[in-house]
Amino acid sequence: GAGVSQTPSNKVTEKGKYVELRCDPISGHTALYWYRQSLGQGPEFLIYFQGTGAADDSGLPNDRFFAVRPEGSVSTLKIQRTERGDSAVYLCASSLAGGAEYEQYFGPGTRLTVT
Amino acid sequence: GENVEQHPSTLSVQEGDSAVIKCTYSDSASNYFPWYKQELGKGPQLIIDIRSNVGEKKDQRIAVTLNKTAKHFSLHITETQPEDSAVYFCAAPFSNDYKLSFGAGTTVTVRA
Repeated sequence: GAGVSQTPSNKVTEKGKYVELRCDPISGHTALYWYRQSLGQGPEFLIYFQGTGAADDSGLPNDRFFAVRPEGSVSTLKIQRTERGDSAVYLCASSLAGGAEYEQYFGPGTRLTVT
Repeated sequence: GENVEQHPSTLSVQEGDSAVIKCTYSDSASNYFPWYKQELGKGPQLIIDIRSNVGEKKDQRIAVTLNKTAKHFSLHITETQPEDSAVYFCAAPFSNDYKLSFGAGTTVTVRA
């Protein structure tokens, strides 16, 4: 079946601009996660949705970052006033439900470059 | 929060040999340990995972072992093939919860 998809695959933006990154989870998965992966490092947790609500946004680095999942399926990660330090690969993952017993499946990521 | 350390950072093996990657974790409450393989330009792919009620799990050429007392777990790849070349990540959940904390990754190169 279809896996997690993310668009765009690449995004280049200028410092100070606003960007939106989209994630389509696996159909039927209620839990959705955003991670950020810097070059040469493992993914770092940003935010977790259970259904439509953000159950845990403790990983968001500051208030320039925001994410929504209005209908409990597609999610959008929004970054305001982008900075060069925001450059990274943003990964989305989904699982059947929340909790350590459910495997997380990752999308291909969006590579964000802030110039 | 959970702290996961992974070693080595790079590993080069001859085709047909075995590869072993080791991870340690800090949170004794963690009970789920997945391993991901990431190829260039792609997202991490779950290849095997283990839960704390077992000490070893095997899937064809891949196996994972877990030592809860010592708080470490390892990935073993036998009969390595060129397509095994990738970056491998171990992970453990924060406080046995949904958030995964990842190791820094091991770049495995299989020499033909």
